[in-house]
Amino acid sequence: GAVVSQHPSRVICKSGTSVKIECRSLDFQATTMFWYRQFPKQSLMLMATSNEGSKATYEQGVEKDKFLINHASLTLSTLTVTSAHPEDSSFYICSARPGQGETQYFGPGTRLLVL
Amino acid sequence: DAKTTQPPSMDCAEGRAANLPCNHSTISGNEYVYWYRQIHSQGPQYIIHGLKNNETNEMASLIITEDRKSSTLILPHATLRDTAVYYCIVSDGGATNKLIFGTGTLLAVQP
Repeated sequence: GAVVSQHPSRVICKSGTSVKIECRSLDFQATTMFWYRQFPKQSLMLMATSNEGSKATYEQGVEKDKFLINHASLTLSTLTVTSAHPEDSSFYICSARPGQGETQYFGPGTRLLVL
Repeated sequence: DAKTTQPPSMDCAEGRAANLPCNHSTISGNEYVYWYRQIHSQGPQYIIHGLKNNETNEMASLIITEDRKSSTLILPHATLRDTAVYYCIVSDGGATNKLIFGTGTLLAVQP
């Protein structure tokens, strides 16, 4: 299957700082990428849909000013958690798909710990 | 999006077939059935998907009932490395093709 990477794999930051997570499609171009969050012992929750060259579409209840998404190229989307707080500590996972109707492939995830 | 219902957990003996059921009684005609699995602390891994016909690949087989209201994922010879949470998801594969994850089935393969 197609390969999606994420960087960093884990990050620890202080409360109030911002953290950027990168999601890259390594062997295909992704017109659409998705960002998920997963708390311990829970399922994945979709946060937003990121389309190359346009604004992201956020799911209900997700603060767009807190979770900034940029999809500047067909192989890279970034999620910035602004003014992070301990409750933002979670496992953040991205996925990407080559085109409409194509299968989504997931990255390995980024574990964020906010102290 | 149509919702799915899966048993919370299942056990399977190593080397035997694992049959994971999924109910999706409200599935629409243009919605596909996708299966992913998530091994602890990793991102989900795509397994297989189908619309109406049964599908098979190197990982698994997908059996979809004729009325499409349920499906079964079959791992023909389960190994310890197949221990994971298996998610059955329906999606229309359209412009958004959002995958909405339920709680999945924790498959524990026993030695």
